[in-house]
Parts: sequence; C-alpha cells; structure tokens
Amino acid sequence: DQQVKQNSPSLSVQEGRISILNCDYTNSMFDYFLWYKKYPAEGPTFLISISSIKDKNEDGRFTVFLNKSAKHLSLHIVPSQPGDSAVYFCAAVGSSNTGKLIFGQGTTLQVKP
Amino acid sequence: NAGVMQNPRHLVRRRGQEARLRCSPMKGHSHVYWYRQLPEEGLKFMVYLQKENIIDESGMPKERFSAEFPKEGPSILRIQQVVRGDSAAYFCASSPPNAGADGNTIYFGEGSWLTVV
Repeated sequence: DQQVKQNSPSLSVQEGRISILNCDYTNSMFDYFLWYKKYPAEGPTFLISISSIKDKNEDGRFTVFLNKSAKHLSLHIVPSQPGDSAVYFCAAVGSSNTGKLIFGQGTTLQVKP
Repeated sequence: NAGVMQNPRHLVRRRGQEARLRCSPMKGHSHVYWYRQLPEEGLKFMVYLQKENIIDESGMPKERFSAEFPKEGPSILRIQQVVRGDSAAYFCASSPPNAGADGNTIYFGEGSWLTVV
C-alpha cells in the first residue's frame, strides 16, 4: 500500500528553466510534508518542508505547494541548475510528533546545461 | 545532514553471518530512525527509537532484525544470519523531539551499504 506516490520516475529540464516535481498521497491524516534531495551513495538531504495548514512555502529557488483537497504537493525549482541533478523524494510524516516518514519512490531530475 | 554519523559505510558479509550497523545522532537529538533502501526503491521506515526505548518497530522484519539505542553509545541495527535479500543501503536519521509537529526536521546520515555475498 503506497501511501505516498511519485508517479514520474524521471524528469529532464534545461538549465534555467523550471523543474516541477509532483507527489500524491492517500492519507488525509498526514500533517507535515518534506522534500529531500539525494545524490548516489549519499544520504538524503533535507530541502524544504510544509505544514498541512499552509498551501505554499518558499526558500530561495525552491517552492513547495500543497493542495490538500487533491492530496497533492509539488516542488518547484526555479531556475534549475545542473547541480540540482539528483533524486528527489517527497515524504509525509506518518503520525504527528514521531518523525516517522513515509517516502515516495523518488524522481530522478536531470538538468541539462 | 552533517552530524549524523554512520559506520561502517560499506560492509560485506557472507550469507549466515551477522551485520552490525552503527549510528550516532546529531548533537542534541534524542530520536533515531532507521530506514532501508532496496535497489531501485524508495526509503522504507524500519524502526524509531529513543534512548533505551523502541517507540515504533512496525517496519522491522519479524525475524533476524533488531535495533537498540542504549543510554550510552550509538544506536545499533543488527541483522543476524544475513541473506542476499538483506543487501541494501541502510540510513539512519535523527531528530529532536516533536519532529514534524513544530517545524523541526529529520536529518539523515550518509548511509551504510550492506552487501551479502
């Protein structure tokens, strides 16, 4: 039972353009969402998060949007840079206050120079 | 993710041997989580521990796997009688209390890659 889904395994964009990574979830009880970036042979690195009481959170080039009615969130990277090429995971907090994360399968982003 | 220390980074074990993976959380973090990433898959939650306490082990296989987080020293994930299917990357994460509820976040170590031959 995949509660957090990233349906696009890969995405390729041109440097300078916008990258949009999508994530869907099924459990309406999730109240906190996070995005992580991962390079091969390294651990995930926290990027940005959003609480379910908000619909947008922005940090530099990264913006996360949350649509609770659609159970959908997205990560926008503008402008995309070659160094952004990595695997991006969205994750939901499984139950409040525990920090247990439910991860999506990941989307591999390639930013072409 | 600086500060969450995992060792060894790479471990090779023959089938039937034991594997021990260690994790020291970030300074000030009292909560530790273990995740496993099988090839071509996302990270799967295994276990959540506080000092001397297992809080949630719903993701742990019922047999051969155990975890502890003693009062002193690192958290240890132990896999007994390893099989080829245990080959994976094992990630440890740590957080302060109430991660997710009030804006605190969870930070990951660089992982331990277990290969069973």
